[in-house]
Amino acid sequence: GAVVSQHPSRVICKSGTSVKIECRSLDFQATTMFWYRQFPKQSLMLMATSNEGSKATYEQGVEKDKFLINHASLTLSTLTVTSAHPEDSSFYICSANDSGYEQFFGPGTRLTVL
Amino acid sequence: QKEVEQNSGPLSVPEGAIASLNCTYSDRGSQSFFWYRQYSGKSPELIMFIYSNGDKEDGRFTAQLNKASQYVSLLIRDSQPSDSATYLCAVNIRGSNYKLTFGKGTLLTVNP
Repeated sequence: GAVVSQHPSRVICKSGTSVKIECRSLDFQATTMFWYRQFPKQSLMLMATSNEGSKATYEQGVEKDKFLINHASLTLSTLTVTSAHPEDSSFYICSANDSGYEQFFGPGTRLTVL
Repeated sequence: QKEVEQNSGPLSVPEGAIASLNCTYSDRGSQSFFWYRQYSGKSPELIMFIYSNGDKEDGRFTAQLNKASQYVSLLIRDSQPSDSATYLCAVNIRGSNYKLTFGKGTLLTVNP
């Protein structure tokens, strides 16, 4: 099956710093990538949808200036959490779609902001 | 508001029993339906998807879709302790650029 990687798997940072998370499709070209956030004991909440070479589409309530998404190629999307604060601590998960029905999920990145 | 609702949990079944997980959705434009399993601290993994009315079987898992009732379910036969996880129902709406809307999930515990 298709494989999606995320890096880093876990990050701890101080409040006010920026954190970049990479999402890569390893064996297929991802026409669309999605970024989700999941708080403890809650479901996945879609943050944004990104297509290669175009601006990301953010869901209502998600600050696009705080969560910067870049989809530079068909195999790489990055999420940068700018000026992170403790309330941004969460499990961030990306997924990629190859124009089929299925989304392939990355293993997730656990962000802890002190 | 496009909503996906799952039966409230947690659900507990003995090993070997059938576990039944239910999901309803509000948008009649929903096109395809997915069941994901998520272990604690891990990302979701796809169990199966369905897009036609009726049943779809894959090993111990059967997905059932009834578009008229806006209802999709997942049956797990011969439940195993390793099936203990949170099960997420997700719906893709036609024309939504493959976006998925997730339910809140149902925590299943299979007791040995």
